[in-house]
Amino acid sequence: QKEVEQDPGPLSVPEGAIVSLNCTYSNSAFQYFMWYRQYSRKGPELLMYTYSSGNKEDGRFTAQVDKSSKYISLFIRDSQPSDSATYLCAPGGSYIPTFGRGTSLIVHP
Amino acid sequence: DAGVTQSPTHLIKTRGQQVTLRCSPKSGHDTVSWYQQALGQGPQFIFQYYEEEERQRGNFPDRFSGHQYPNYSSELNVNALLLGDSALYLCASSLSGQSYGYTFGSGTRLTVV
Repeated sequence: QKEVEQDPGPLSVPEGAIVSLNCTYSNSAFQYFMWYRQYSRKGPELLMYTYSSGNKEDGRFTAQVDKSSKYISLFIRDSQPSDSATYLCAPGGSYIPTFGRGTSLIVHP
Repeated sequence: DAGVTQSPTHLIKTRGQQVTLRCSPKSGHDTVSWYQQALGQGPQFIFQYYEEEERQRGNFPDRFSGHQYPNYSSELNVNALLLGDSALYLCASSLSGQSYGYTFGSGTRLTVV
């Protein structure tokens, strides 16, 4: 079993929609989590870093962790075509980031 | 402030050959990690270098080896190339102990023919 798993999509939404991207993890010892965004032909860039349970908000982005179900979510409000990318989740803290396939998001005008 | 620099950006090699990829970390970072990303897949961890030594390794064969220099720059070497080694190779630098600070380069796209 991989440490993190994501539905690869693609997820296609109209501009302005609220997007929900999800990730499950297997290791209950994970305390910190990261969301990376990867544009085509580029390296991943850190989008958000969140700790344990609860929500963290940064502009149009909200990260949510549910430790009881080992479920991580990233919500994007008022989605824009520039948000079209692959979104990757990974454990943080003392763990070297390991990734699943990521979820491909397409926001069409 | 320069981020992570990788060279070359693209490379075509023949099966059985050897290849060396290079990475210069972000200023202030002392740790370099290498990842392999096949088409449609997430980045897979190859290994991490800190203080010129391999600190941790993923599930990759010994054909994959690396080096870190005193200035923290790093090389990834792959011997006896296979067609399946075709991928985007990503270098990420960080400050030791801070996983949230991983900065990725744009990668080297390796094609093995």
